[in-house]
Amino acid sequence: AQRVTQPEKLLSVFKGAPVELKCNYSYSGSPELFWYVQYSRQRLQLLLRHISRESIKGFTADLNKGETSFHLKKPFAQEEDSAMYYCALRGGGFKTIFGAGTRLFVKA
Amino acid sequence: DAGVTQSPTHLIKTRGQQVTLRCSPKSGHDTVSWYQQALGQGPQFIFQYYEEEERQRGNFPDRFSGHQFPNYSSELNVNALLLGDSALYLCASSFRDSTGELFFGEGSRLTVL
Repeated sequence: AQRVTQPEKLLSVFKGAPVELKCNYSYSGSPELFWYVQYSRQRLQLLLRHISRESIKGFTADLNKGETSFHLKKPFAQEEDSAMYYCALRGGGFKTIFGAGTRLFVKA
Repeated sequence: DAGVTQSPTHLIKTRGQQVTLRCSPKSGHDTVSWYQQALGQGPQFIFQYYEEEERQRGNFPDRFSGHQFPNYSSELNVNALLLGDSALYLCASSFRDSTGELFFGEGSRLTVL
């Protein structure tokens, strides 16, 4: 069965501190993994995908197949990073499944 | 481009009633997925429509049904509403899963009393 686990419901860090949002997945094949973000009063939108290997707004995420993880990292958090973050997986088939989300709060 | 639009934005129903939610995909998109998001949870996949057919379904009962029209817009129907159906219903569009990126609407918030 496919599953995405985000162990932290809330993560609070100070501005300028490093941040890591954890994501673990369960899937026997080769998954496509994504991070979506929802800022206050905005709709859910794609932040980055593992296949692109890109850095968006200073965030990066590396797929670790051995640990079945796709953690989202940023070396220096900014107040505007405060948002809800969802890790998502697309395995076999057409559906994308989401984790329960982690609320990131960056304190001034 | 208005992006994905959903209607209505809010609605209140009573148990046992039926509801229809509507979604217009982003311009150029031909695939529509529906999600249910309960309070404090992530979006849960209901089903996906492509070429006017349901091509994949999540773990939702038959009370949840849908339709896609030739213009790619879509409806989600829920029959015999239960209190537990209260949630935010999200529509997401994409183009033939070319990149996997989903574009979301703002959702329809359903309250069942």
